[in-house]
Amino acid sequence: SAVISQKPSRDICQRGTSLTIQCQVDSQVTMMFWYRQQPGQSLTLIATANQGSEATYESGFVIDKFPISRPNLTFSTLTVSNMSPEDSSIYLCSAGQINTEAFFGQGTRLTVV
Amino acid sequence: GQQVMQIPQYQHVQEGEDFTTYCNSSTTLSNIQWYKQRPGGHPVFLIQLVKSGEVKKQKRLTFQFGEAKKNSSLHITATQTTDVGTYFCAGPVSNSGYALNFGKGTSLLVTP
Repeated sequence: SAVISQKPSRDICQRGTSLTIQCQVDSQVTMMFWYRQQPGQSLTLIATANQGSEATYESGFVIDKFPISRPNLTFSTLTVSNMSPEDSSIYLCSAGQINTEAFFGQGTRLTVV
Repeated sequence: GQQVMQIPQYQHVQEGEDFTTYCNSSTTLSNIQWYKQRPGGHPVFLIQLVKSGEVKKQKRLTFQFGEAKKNSSLHITATQTTDVGTYFCAGPVSNSGYALNFGKGTSLLVTP
């Protein structure tokens, strides 16, 4: 299993600013992902965080808006850039090995005002 | 693109009643996973099904994977208030291989 620490757990940010969310896994994992979840809705995949190379983004998400880093096998960051109220959501880090269960962080509840 | 559909969206049952949620994919899946998310919490893995026609049980929970590997179901027998939450099915994202494409989820409310 893997334990994922994600921070901050919540934040209220001014529009136009940026927020970086950190995700730390307690063991080396092959795969790390970032999801977005609107309250009461399903999870939408933002991108796959690749260790040592550029993240792979899903349709509708771009690197300029959601830059992602993954410097090693246990750590990743997601930045939400130039925020607007539409970016208010819960952001979830996920990690695991290939084709096995995914573990999730506690999530970051972001409110943009 | 690949879609994972899940019904019903909501289910309200009396404690002791049974509950079933159904998941259908537009494409054949190599595997399907089920997660539970409690209100205010994060998704927690329940089970993974890999084989065609596979059935797995966890106490009062029964999971099935269809013969064509395009549909799945989760059945809870004699629900308890601790079963409250949203149940998601998830299949691999076809182009990424290892990320998960989640269904919309079924929110279960159990009344004592």
